[in-house]
Amino acid sequence: EVQLVESGGGLVQPGGSLSLSCAASGFTFSSYWMSWVRQAPGKGLEWVANINQDGSEKHYVDSVKGRFTVSRDNAKNSLYLQMNSLRAEDTAVYYCARGASVANWGQGTLAIVSS
Amino acid sequence: DVVMTQSPLSLPVTLGQPASISCRSSQSLVSSDGNTYLNWFQQRPGQSPRRLIYKVSNRDSGVPDRFSGSGSGTDFTLKISRVEAEDVGVYYCMQGTHWPGTFGGGTKVEIK
Repeated sequence: EVQLVESGGGLVQPGGSLSLSCAASGFTFSSYWMSWVRQAPGKGLEWVANINQDGSEKHYVDSVKGRFTVSRDNAKNSLYLQMNSLRAEDTAVYYCARGASVANWGQGTLAIVSS
Repeated sequence: DVVMTQSPLSLPVTLGQPASISCRSSQSLVSSDGNTYLNWFQQRPGQSPRRLIYKVSNRDSGVPDRFSGSGSGTDFTLKISRVEAEDVGVYYCMQGTHWPGTFGGGTKVEIK
């Protein structure tokens, strides 16, 4: 069974940083693109970033370019999202998802950016 | 970015009756590899999204056959043949053909 478990969310002040992690199991992690998708409270879904199988190709939505960095460690079956220069509008539940077509989702981790 | 427009915003349905959700994209979703990367997701209250349909009409494992997807180019539809109580939630379409992937605004399905 595919399992994705996010961690690292919390409360941070504007301009601060958070580092999110996603532990994957139940599939061959190194064979899949991986994605981060977020959902602001009471709002819809927004694709944030994705990364290819060996980490050589990464894509970001314009609103996070230059501030967020996606990475992975295939030896640890883990996906990461480093979020810097955080803004209030980055407040959201962040989901880790398997594949470019987002086949499976984790339970999400909530990041709150507020003073 | 490709804009995905869903309708209706809200869909009250009687149990056992059919339901249909429309999704339109601002440009064709046919990829250079010939595939159309249009997915449908269900998000039940308090839960993570779950993918129901991928590449327009392919049901994911474990998805009841009362769910079906159809369409081509820029116009797509998700149909529920007979709505059950467990189908309550918000449904999203998503295109993965053009980066960045974009989601529709969601359609809230509720029981009358």
